[in-house]
Amino acid sequence: SQKIEQNSEALNIQEGKTATLTCNYTNYSPAYLQWYRQDPGRGPVFLLLIRENEKEKRKERLKVTFDTTLKQSLFHITASQPADSATYLCALAFSGYSTLTFGKGTMLLVSP
Amino acid sequence: DTEVTQTPKHLVMGMTNKKSLKCEQHMGHRAMYWYKQKAKKPPELMFVYSYEKLSINESVPSRFSPECPNSSLLNLHLHALQPEDSALYLCASSQVVSGASNQPQHFGDGTRLSIL
Repeated sequence: SQKIEQNSEALNIQEGKTATLTCNYTNYSPAYLQWYRQDPGRGPVFLLLIRENEKEKRKERLKVTFDTTLKQSLFHITASQPADSATYLCALAFSGYSTLTFGKGTMLLVSP
Repeated sequence: DTEVTQTPKHLVMGMTNKKSLKCEQHMGHRAMYWYKQKAKKPPELMFVYSYEKLSINESVPSRFSPECPNSSLLNLHLHALQPEDSALYLCASSQVVSGASNQPQHFGDGTRLSIL
């Protein structure tokens, strides 16, 4: 069965540094991949979407890469700020399925 | 503020009670979803409605009963729940059903449900 892996340990970084979060999957490559941010007690908020034929997508301080050979997506936040502290979820959509499958998420903590 | 509104924000109920969760969106989205999320776990899909018709039921127990009265509203009726059903219940919407059309999902902030 399909498996999605995100770092279960929290990622601690200092303000101003670049945060890099990893999303790995097994078996089949998704048609596209989405990244969401979730704050405690709130619903996930959509950040970025990347298609299987795209290598990289950017939005302001955010960058997502997608490597179907490595079966991996990387999510980067440059010039990180304490306000970026949250849990980041990757979600995959596979050909033939009409729903998203979410990873467990990685908690990011940015200290001043 | 999110564009998907869920009420109530918190709900405490006994195992014999009947209650309903409500979700509303006015973005013209034609796909709506119910998810269940436990602490430190990802959202788990429960139901999908597409054009007001139930299209996916992820083998959810019958004590959860979804309803889509119109394209803007989604309800989840609860009856005879168990303590393990305590969780955050999230509603989401998208223009059409994700997966087929690369649409992001817009989530509400959920209802925190506690079963005594």
